[in-house]
Amino acid sequence: DTAVSQTPKYLVTQMGNDKSIKCEQNLGHDTMYWYKQDSKKFLKIMFSYNNKELIINETVPNRFSPKSPDKAHLNLHINSLELGDSAVYFCASSHTGTGSGNTIYFGEGSWLTVV
Amino acid sequence: QKEVEQDPGPLSVPEGAIVSLNCTYSNSAFQYFMWYRQYSRKGPELLMYTYSSGNKEDGRFTAQVDKSSKYISLFIRDSQPSDSATYLCAMIIYSGGYQKVTFGTGTKLQVIP
Repeated sequence: DTAVSQTPKYLVTQMGNDKSIKCEQNLGHDTMYWYKQDSKKFLKIMFSYNNKELIINETVPNRFSPKSPDKAHLNLHINSLELGDSAVYFCASSHTGTGSGNTIYFGEGSWLTVV
Repeated sequence: QKEVEQDPGPLSVPEGAIVSLNCTYSNSAFQYFMWYRQYSRKGPELLMYTYSSGNKEDGRFTAQVDKSSKYISLFIRDSQPSDSATYLCAMIIYSGGYQKVTFGTGTKLQVIP
């Protein structure tokens, strides 16, 4: 049983297109995240949602719009894709609070290539 | 200066060697420290989690934290080819009840049979 699942795993699209990546977690967590990993493996947080509410919004272009229909789902929609958006996007989830009980669990990643 | 610095490697070692992976950080507000392992084409998975200075051991892995020097390490004993992966350090700050995790850039490790 996949804990954090995201689709699609691979996505190749042209500049200017709009695309979405979906994410679902079955761990009962109340916090979900989107991270971006560039070609140098640097993993940077983009957004964090707690119980469907946005709590972290790093400096991300407003072409990126997350949507959380419920606490088990966090989707990422990207408008007007640019070459620089090519990266691996990871969805993740955790419990809220302090301590090791709120370990972040990652999905397998979505490889986005903009051509 | 990045909040978390990590040598990207790559680091190549022979099977059976002891591996030392390190991160330094500048923000003394970091409270929890973690090591994640990421295999190629996979998501990161948690290896070790610690919050205090000192050592924490789990099998062949030992995590070490030195808060006074703002330095953390991961040691892998008797390294195996299956340990070949990218290792990312990560550090947590809590703000308003929510955690914010900052990752290092990762060190790519190759264990040669």
